[in-house]
Amino acid sequence: DQQVKQNSPSLSVQEGRISILNCDYTNSMFDYFLWYKKYPAEGPTFLISISSIKDKNEDGRFTVFLNKSAKHLSLHIVPSQPGDSAVYFCAAIRMNFGNEKLTFGTGTRLTIIP
Amino acid sequence: GAGVSQSPRYKVAKRGQDVALRCDPISGHVSLFWYQQALGQGPEFLTYFQNEAQLDKSGLPSDRFFAERPEGSVSTLKIQRTQQEDSAVYLCASSLALQGRGYTFGSGTRLTVV
Repeated sequence: DQQVKQNSPSLSVQEGRISILNCDYTNSMFDYFLWYKKYPAEGPTFLISISSIKDKNEDGRFTVFLNKSAKHLSLHIVPSQPGDSAVYFCAAIRMNFGNEKLTFGTGTRLTIIP
Repeated sequence: GAGVSQSPRYKVAKRGQDVALRCDPISGHVSLFWYQQALGQGPEFLTYFQNEAQLDKSGLPSDRFFAERPEGSVSTLKIQRTQQEDSAVYLCASSLALQGRGYTFGSGTRLTVV
């Protein structure tokens, strides 16, 4: 039962344009949603998060949008840069007495074309 | 230390062999997590410690998997009688109380069972 889904395994975007990565979830009890970025042979690195009570969070070039009615979130990167090429994982947390267990999607490989 | 350190980086084990994977979390981090990432998949939760207490081990796939954190800092994930399906990257992460702000992953141990 895949509670967090990333239906696009890969995405290619021209440098300078907007990259939009999508994520869907099924469990309405999730409290936070996060995006992680992963380079080869490294662990995932936290990028940005959003509380389930908000619909937008912005940090520099990165913005995450949450549509609770559609159980959908997206990560926007603008402008896209070559260093953004990586695998992006969407993840969700249901808070449980300090246990911030993450449920991950399967990832989207983003390639920025110079 | 400055980050989460995992050792060894790579481990090749013969089927049936026991292995032990080590995680040195960021100093002072109370929470410690182990995840398993199979090829082409997102990380999947294995177990969670708060200090030395193992509060959630619901993700351990079988009784061949065992984790400990006896002094509330370094943790070891042990896999007994390894099987080919255990081949994966094992990721450790640590955190303070983050309220959904994500936690810090190590670079992982890539286990290959032959």
